[in-house]
Amino acid sequence: DSGVTQTPKHLITATGQRVTLRCSPRSGDLSVYWYQQSLDQGLQFLIQYYNGEERAKGNILERFSAQQFPDLHSELNLSSLELGDSALYFCASSVSPGQGSYNEKLFFGSGTQLSVL
Amino acid sequence: QKEVEQDPGPLSVPEGAIVSLNCTYSNSAFQYFMWYRQYSRKGPELLMYTYSSGNKEDGRFTAQVDKSSKYISLFIRDSQPSDSATYLCAMSGFTGGGNKLTFGTGTQLKVEL
Repeated sequence: DSGVTQTPKHLITATGQRVTLRCSPRSGDLSVYWYQQSLDQGLQFLIQYYNGEERAKGNILERFSAQQFPDLHSELNLSSLELGDSALYFCASSVSPGQGSYNEKLFFGSGTQLSVL
Repeated sequence: QKEVEQDPGPLSVPEGAIVSLNCTYSNSAFQYFMWYRQYSRKGPELLMYTYSSGNKEDGRFTAQVDKSSKYISLFIRDSQPSDSATYLCAMSGFTGGGNKLTFGTGTQLKVEL
């Protein structure tokens, strides 16, 4: 068990809908990262928050947004969903602020499987 | 061209074999190199973490980094069926442009009895 908790484990929804994925980082970790994993694209970095503030942005669509709350949990909001958004969404946490620092060891949750029908 | 290249496999080996998994990269700013293991439908799990060039050993696993060739390897000795998983390399380094932790696409390994 990595100590990173993601809910829900599975989500089935329809195109055009909006969903929220939730992540609780490991105790003591200040950074939360969101990744999308699909069969053809591999693990794609979406966004990172450090201690409540956005730290880095990857290939995140404008329809997607995230935030990190004072208790350090994070939510990823996906709206106007399309079939192509179906994927595994992972949250990871680390103590590091990121940006290539030496302690950037990520610990991943078990993921949320999103299916858009 | 991707910054990190990794053969997707699948790689199938008999139990007890030595497995060699590799990644190449193009960004010379990468200084920290990691290997993650991912079982089917699970999150990636950190296996090995190395800094700069050299070798690191942990039990049956050895990670090698050759920065001059921009090439990293993971060796698994005495492979077991429980090693069957997808192995992702990852690397990071400060580029001044934000998070540059970059993953390979993963190599699927199957260790057969």
